[in-house]
Amino acid sequence: NAGVTQTPKFQVLKTGQSMTLQCAQDMNHNSMYWYRQDPGMGLRLIYYSASEGTTDKGEVPNGYNVSRLNKREFSLRLESAAPSQTSVYFCASSEAGVRAFFGQGTRLTVV
Amino acid sequence: AQKVTQAQTEISVVEKEDVTLDCVYETRDTTYYLFWYKQPPSGELVFLIRRNSFDEQNEISGRYSWNFQKSTSSFNFTITASQVVDSAVYFCALSEDRIQGAQKLVFGQGTRLTINP
Repeated sequence: NAGVTQTPKFQVLKTGQSMTLQCAQDMNHNSMYWYRQDPGMGLRLIYYSASEGTTDKGEVPNGYNVSRLNKREFSLRLESAAPSQTSVYFCASSEAGVRAFFGQGTRLTVV
Repeated sequence: AQKVTQAQTEISVVEKEDVTLDCVYETRDTTYYLFWYKQPPSGELVFLIRRNSFDEQNEISGRYSWNFQKSTSSFNFTITASQVVDSAVYFCALSEDRIQGAQKLVFGQGTRLTINP
């Protein structure tokens, strides 16, 4: 049982480039999330999807877009990467009454 | 708005000492969940515990114990007889209680715990 799988694990981008972080879960969870982790700030919610077909902004959505492709997959897109988006990104999924499961994280550096 | 504060940024102790990590939270909800996660140097998030706001009983799991006090809005985590493998960053987190819909987590800043041999 893989749980939550994120790709890629590492990525270096140049300022202004675009990229998509992929996330897939195999637990049939309704809800999925994207968080970013910056030093000294814990994890902060970027976007979430309460159920297939819905997406909503979290605490720090600026500069990002998301797509809930189907129940399994939730992608995060950076249209024009900026150095301030250098961070570790975590995808997670959950079901009502069940704690969230996290992916392994994607370490993104924007130069 | 919800908020979680972990006032201890870094803690360093010698192996076998007991150590307590503090967590204070703010919420207007009457029902909510509290969590602790461990992040070892490898970077993944390891789930440790989830506690419902209605359950104030302390919990013990091996060398780990948690003290939940609604009166002081605190959910502290104690490691007894610490070991080098306990070295990690520990996060406290809070979510609203939702029967349906997303359970969005609000995290504290984290406490970096170093256990020295």
